[in-house]
Amino acid sequence: DVKVTQSSRYLVKRTGEKVFLECVQDMDHENMFWYRQDPGLGLRLIYFSYDVKMKEKGDIPEGYSVSREKKERFSLILESASTNQTSMYLCASSLSGGAGVDEQYFGPGTRLTVT
Amino acid sequence: AQSVTQLDSQVPVFEEAPVELRCNYSSSVSVYLFWYVQYPNQGLQLLLKYLSGSTLVESINGFEAEFNKSQTSFHLRKPSVHISDTAEYFCAVSFKAAGNKLTFGGGTRVLVKP
Repeated sequence: DVKVTQSSRYLVKRTGEKVFLECVQDMDHENMFWYRQDPGLGLRLIYFSYDVKMKEKGDIPEGYSVSREKKERFSLILESASTNQTSMYLCASSLSGGAGVDEQYFGPGTRLTVT
Repeated sequence: AQSVTQLDSQVPVFEEAPVELRCNYSSSVSVYLFWYVQYPNQGLQLLLKYLSGSTLVESINGFEAEFNKSQTSFHLRKPSVHISDTAEYFCAVSFKAAGNKLTFGGGTRVLVKP
């Protein structure tokens, strides 16, 4: 079974702190994604990566950055956390390139609260 | 911009009754279509997908969805729901021009009542 793990299920941070969310997949997938999930808005793509050291902006990249130094690990960074970044963050991975035909496998999510 | 609309945010339904979750997307260009399900306190998992071929696709647990190109819709149905179907359901579309990116709808929360 594909496994996508996220470093924390719950996280509470203060405004202005730098926050790191870690995601690891164990199936040698090429693509990795970070989403945020908010009620009524579904999932919105923050960043994705299709290869080591490669990244592309999603629909809402402002206030976030990412790092992919190893194939299995994709990190989301909030440079200076703000209260409007309080959300559920979901990481996902998928097998390889192509035009979006591959199933995405999701981690359990990290619920981040910024106070 | 491409968009995906799920018309119902919540659907209460009695056990053994049918349910339909509606999904429409904005573009008539080539697409791949997905339904994901999120059970309470879990991550999303794929329920079914349409890539090509027959416009009616089925899941292993009795759900089905039909791709309607002219109406740009991909509605999800189940003829008889169980308590265990209580979950949030997300329609997602991969617009071929956008590569590997998925655009998600806002989700429909299904609450199955005994």
